[in-house]
Amino acid sequence: DSGVTQTPKHLITATGQRVTLRCSPRSGDLSVYWYQQSLDQGLQFLIQYYNGEERAKGNILERFSAQQFPDLHSELNLSSLELGDSALYFCASSRGYVQGWDTGELFFGEGSRLTVL
Amino acid sequence: AQKITQTQPGMFVQEKEAVTLDCTYDTSDPSYGLFWYKQPSSGEMIFLIYQGSYDQQNATEGRYSLNFQKARKSANLVISASQLGDSAMYFCAMRESITGTASKLTFGTGTRLQVTL
Repeated sequence: DSGVTQTPKHLITATGQRVTLRCSPRSGDLSVYWYQQSLDQGLQFLIQYYNGEERAKGNILERFSAQQFPDLHSELNLSSLELGDSALYFCASSRGYVQGWDTGELFFGEGSRLTVL
Repeated sequence: AQKITQTQPGMFVQEKEAVTLDCTYDTSDPSYGLFWYKQPSSGEMIFLIYQGSYDQQNATEGRYSLNFQKARKSANLVISASQLGDSAMYFCAMRESITGTASKLTFGTGTRLQVTL
């Protein structure tokens, strides 16, 4: 158990719909990352938050948005869903910025598997 | 250009043997971190080992060791005494610091390891 909690674990929805994926980081972790893993592909970085603020952005579509709340949990909103958005969405957390450097490993949640029909 | 290259899409190893999974990386950042993650068929991402760019010694974690050759920009994962439970997808990843608290983890395409009897 990594300590990172993601809900829901599975989600099936239709094209054009909107969904929200939720992530609770490990206790004490300040950084949250979102990744997308499509079928048989590696992980694509979407976005990073540190202590409530967006810090780094990857290949995140305009239809997608995210935020990190004061209690450090994060949500990834996916709207106007398309078939190609079907994927495993991972949230990861890390302790964050300490003495000039992020301290190390990222811990991943179990992922939210999104199926768009 | 690929930041992380894993040239072995698939590997077979016999139980109890050692296996090396290759990873090369490309960065001009003097400070970076290298990771290996395991993804079994169940889908979760399991952190295995971390190597910081300034670490003098190769990282080891139980049966996992990281053969870090900085000049060659390689960070190969060595699994000793393979077990059937090691059958999984293995991802190499690199974290580069962008600015201050901003960082992102870039993943390779993965190597699927199959351990045989």
